[in-house]
Amino acid sequence: DAKTTQPNSMESNEEEPVHLPCNHSTISGTDYIHWYRQLPSQGPEYVIHGLTSNVNNRMASLAIAEDRKSSTLILHRATLRDAAVYYCILRTDGANNLFFGTGTRLTVIP
Amino acid sequence: EAGVTQFPSHSVIEKGQTVTLRCDPISGHDNLYWYRRVMGKEIKFLLHFVKESKQDESGMPNNRFLAERTGGTYSTLKVQPAELEDSGVYFCASSQDAGKNTEAFFGQGTRLTVV
Repeated sequence: DAKTTQPNSMESNEEEPVHLPCNHSTISGTDYIHWYRQLPSQGPEYVIHGLTSNVNNRMASLAIAEDRKSSTLILHRATLRDAAVYYCILRTDGANNLFFGTGTRLTVIP
Repeated sequence: EAGVTQFPSHSVIEKGQTVTLRCDPISGHDNLYWYRRVMGKEIKFLLHFVKESKQDESGMPNNRFLAERTGGTYSTLKVQPAELEDSGVYFCASSQDAGKNTEAFFGQGTRLTVV
């Protein structure tokens, strides 16, 4: 399983931007970078994914480093509902399942 | 559109009993996955169906676990006999495609407690 490294925890004030980092130095050229999150007592939820270019959707933005060895999930204005564990996952050729690591637990402070 | 639904949401059984978990994927999704998180551990992949066929069951822990997906619609995961270490949350997910450029949709999970 392709390896990613994330901080165990982060804090953010409500309504401020949050930048969640992820290192994936062993990424191969065709691996996709996916982000999922798990809110308390719920199943994982897809957030965003990308290959090389930065991506935006209604939930977040994904900034991918030029060498693709790291990426950052950006929540533009954190809300209390964004408190969750965020998982950065590499999806590789031949592996149809998701490999969840320990993720980053985001705490949003009112 | 209905999402992925799992039943029951909670189950408490005694060691040695049998439990069957059910997952209804999003309509039209050929790919169905089972995952679980046991206490204090990470979410781990169990197996992957494409329609009614098992594509990958490399994550199934032992032969006490049996997954089926007859007709390629809903899936069941049976644990027989249940052991204490089987306690955890079992998640089902589905996706239209299986590739790496695809998002998966997860259910709320079934919390299984074996006492």
